[in-house]
Amino acid sequence: GQNIDQPTEMTATEGAIVQINCTYQTSGFNGLFWYQQHAGEAPTFLSYNVLDGLEEKGRFSSFLSRSKGYSYLLLKELQMKDSASYLCAVRERDDKIIFGKGTRLHILP
Amino acid sequence: EAQVTQNPRYLITVTGKKLTVTCSQNMNHEYMSWYRQDPGLGLRQIYYSMNVEVTDKGDVPEGYKVSRKEKRNFPLILESPSPNQTSLYFCASSLRDRGKDGYTFGSGTRLTVV
Repeated sequence: GQNIDQPTEMTATEGAIVQINCTYQTSGFNGLFWYQQHAGEAPTFLSYNVLDGLEEKGRFSSFLSRSKGYSYLLLKELQMKDSASYLCAVRERDDKIIFGKGTRLHILP
Repeated sequence: EAQVTQNPRYLITVTGKKLTVTCSQNMNHEYMSWYRQDPGLGLRQIYYSMNVEVTDKGDVPEGYKVSRKEKRNFPLILESPSPNQTSLYFCASSLRDRGKDGYTFGSGTRLTVV
C-alpha cells in the first residue's frame, strides 16, 4: 500500500541547520517533491528529485535514495520565515501525486 | 500570470445545501486534482483528472462529485454537504510530462458546513 512517513514536528534555532526525513512506500515511483506550506496558505514547490543524489538550491537541499525509499530536505542558515510545514510528496507510476502528513518546523530565535 | 484560480476563498453553508467550488487554470495542464486538508491528516486526494472527460476517485471521494468538460476547469460539487466536509480545500494542476514542476496549487477554499 501507499505510505509516506515524516516526523510530525521539529524545532530548530535561527541560523542553524535542520534535516527533515521522509520515507515512502508507494505504487511505483516517478519523482519526489518537497513543498513548503505556511499556515492557511497553499503549498509552494521547493524541490524535485527523480534520480539518486543531492539537489541543491540556495539554502535548501534535497536528497534521494530510491533503493531505500528515503529522502531528506536540508535547510541551512535557518530564518524565522522558514517556520512552516514541509510536505514530502511522491509521484506514482500513474502520475498521481500523494502527500505525507507534513512536518511542522518551529524556529526559535 | 500562470495560476490556478479557486472560488470562493471562504464559504459557510448549511447542511444539505448543494454547492460548487470552481477551479480554473491557464497553463494548459492536462492533470488536475482536488485535495482536502485537515489537521493531523495532511493533504488527502478527493478526485483527479488526467484529461478532458477523464476523472478518477482519489482516497476520499465520498460525498463529492467532479466534472472535466473543458481542459481549464475542474469544479468540485458537494450535492448534500455535511459537517464532516468542513475543511480546507485545494485545487492543483500539473503537466503530464513527468517534469520537475509538480503541482501548481490554487489559494484554497475554507469551507464550513453548519
